[in-house]
Amino acid sequence: KNEVEQSPQNLTAQEGEFITINCSYSVGISALHWLQQHPGGGIVSLFMLSSGKKKHGRLIATINIQEKHSSLHITASHPRDSAVYICAVRPFGNEKLTFGTGTRLTIIP
Amino acid sequence: IAGITQAPTSQILAAGRRMTLRCTQDMRHNAMYWYRQDLGLGLRLIHYSNTAGTTGKGEVPDGYSVSRANTDDFPLTLASAVPSQTSVYFCASSAGRANSPLHFGNGTRLTVT
Repeated sequence: KNEVEQSPQNLTAQEGEFITINCSYSVGISALHWLQQHPGGGIVSLFMLSSGKKKHGRLIATINIQEKHSSLHITASHPRDSAVYICAVRPFGNEKLTFGTGTRLTIIP
Repeated sequence: IAGITQAPTSQILAAGRRMTLRCTQDMRHNAMYWYRQDLGLGLRLIHYSNTAGTTGKGEVPDGYSVSRANTDDFPLTLASAVPSQTSVYFCASSAGRANSPLHFGNGTRLTVT
């Protein structure tokens, strides 16, 4: 079992829909990252959080430390949001990140 | 523009050849990382460096070596390439504090034939 599990693996939605991508992990962590990777493109850091909730534009990231779970939400989704979204965690006592395999999101106009 | 530059963007390499992937950052970040990304697998750490002059092994270090002679540069060398090293390679950096965000390069797509 991977330390970091993402769901769903693939998600297709209509433009304007509210999107939720989930990340569960099995170890205690000091931080969780959400990353975005466009097709053929580089990787961009969206959020880094260790508690609570963060918001940037139409993106919202939440984390529940007790339940070892994080969600990434996209409001009013747009075709340009189509990308792979990757969750990564930094376990306690470990400087290095463990990555999920990503969620491929496709937003249809 | 501040960031991380990787070179080359892509490369086709014959098995057995030596290859160095270059990575340079201008953010004065202490920590640098090399990852490989393969279909169906998460990013996997190859080697890392917490500060200039030091390096460490990641999850999949075999067949790769790195050096960190200064803060800005972190080259990754494949001494004798094998087809299983066909992958997309990403260099990343961070300020090195526990909750510092990661900055990624645009990747190098390497095909070993």
